[in-house]
Amino acid sequence: NAGVMQNPRHLVRRRGQEARLRCSPMKGHSHVYWYRQLPEEGLKFMVYLQKENIIDESGMPKERFSAEFPKEGPSILRIQQVVRGDSAAYFCASSPLASASTDTQYFGPGTRLTVL
Amino acid sequence: GDSVTQMEGPVTLSEEAFLTINCTYTATGYPSLFWYVQYPGEGLQLLLKATKADDKGSNKGFEATYRKETTSFHLEKGSVQVSDSAVYFCALRRSDKLIFGTGTRLQVFP
Repeated sequence: NAGVMQNPRHLVRRRGQEARLRCSPMKGHSHVYWYRQLPEEGLKFMVYLQKENIIDESGMPKERFSAEFPKEGPSILRIQQVVRGDSAAYFCASSPLASASTDTQYFGPGTRLTVL
Repeated sequence: GDSVTQMEGPVTLSEEAFLTINCTYTATGYPSLFWYVQYPGEGLQLLLKATKADDKGSNKGFEATYRKETTSFHLEKGSVQVSDSAVYFCALRRSDKLIFGTGTRLQVFP
């Protein structure tokens, strides 16, 4: 059973460009979470999605950031008009049953975004 | 709001030494608690978890006990190896999200 897959692993963008980060959850998982890890810090929750629905986006910046999880294909985290402060590692996690408080989230290897 | 506090690192140990990484939490109720490990350049891997008070999670020689009296979930290992060098994150589950501590870097030398 393949784990959570993310691509690209490394992404370099210039200020003002768009960044697209992809996440394919584990087989059988229909719940996806995105976290951001700034240098030397812990992970911070950004958004939780189920297929075709955003359930909780309380951690997403109000501007420039968006996320989707279409019926077919991977989940996408999109950052428009990137700024240097967006440089971070972005991790995706998935779980089969998000409503269970004991359920484990399984993490992908992350995408390291560098904004020049 | 909910939060997790970890001891600052780095923690530097010799191989076969005893390890303790402190973790305390602030939360209403009794959330599930987790330890994740992050090896250099990689994502987070679940190390162990506990879902209710007095539960002990264990894996690969690591242990942590959910202590509601002290709101703690300290990570311990009796004899560390060089391969245990990594960053360790304590986390609690609140609804659909994990709330992480800032991480503790462990460096084990031969």
